[in-house]
Amino acid sequence: AQRVTQPEKLLSVFKGAPVELKCNYSYSGSPELFWYVQYSRQRLQLLLRHISRESIKGFTADLNKGETSFHLKKPFAQEEDSAMYYCALRFKGAQKLVFGQGTRLTINP
Amino acid sequence: GAVVSQHPSRVICKSGTSVKIECRSLDFQATTMFWYRQFPKQSLMLMATSNEGSKATYEQGVEKDKFLINHASLTLSTLTVTSAHPEDSSFYICSGVGEAYEQYFGPGTRLTVT
Repeated sequence: AQRVTQPEKLLSVFKGAPVELKCNYSYSGSPELFWYVQYSRQRLQLLLRHISRESIKGFTADLNKGETSFHLKKPFAQEEDSAMYYCALRFKGAQKLVFGQGTRLTINP
Repeated sequence: GAVVSQHPSRVICKSGTSVKIECRSLDFQATTMFWYRQFPKQSLMLMATSNEGSKATYEQGVEKDKFLINHASLTLSTLTVTSAHPEDSSFYICSGVGEAYEQYFGPGTRLTVT
């Protein structure tokens, strides 16, 4: 079955430190991977997608098909990065998303 | 960007009554909308896929007679929780599918059943 795993429920780092949020997936086909972010009292919004290979708000994520991973990274965390982060998978050509359990990131001053 | 609204933002109802939640795409047409349920400090659980002009597709374990979905227009889908019970209390989120299959999420509706 298709599954997205975020092993860390909570992650806390200091401001200026590097941050990595882990995401692993299981899917036999060619998936499309996404990271969504939900700031406090705000709606879920798309942060980035693997297909774009872009950096948004200093975050990047590389799809590693060999390790079936799509970890989210930022070299220098900022306090405004504190939020809930969800990794999600979409089957190619489909519209449905499968979400991971989410990681609550807290950046300490 | 595309905007999705939900109404109401929060609702309290008595056990046994029904409550309707609206999901609207404000500046785009959404042939497909999704309904999710989110428990406290947990992930989003997909409940059903709402398709304009046709019956909704429910995920396994979701009671279609309890969670009635209607998608009568390209900008509106409604979720009706029938005969609500306290265990139905949750945060319900909808999303509309726009261009390139991107999902735009509503702000959510907090339902409390007393």
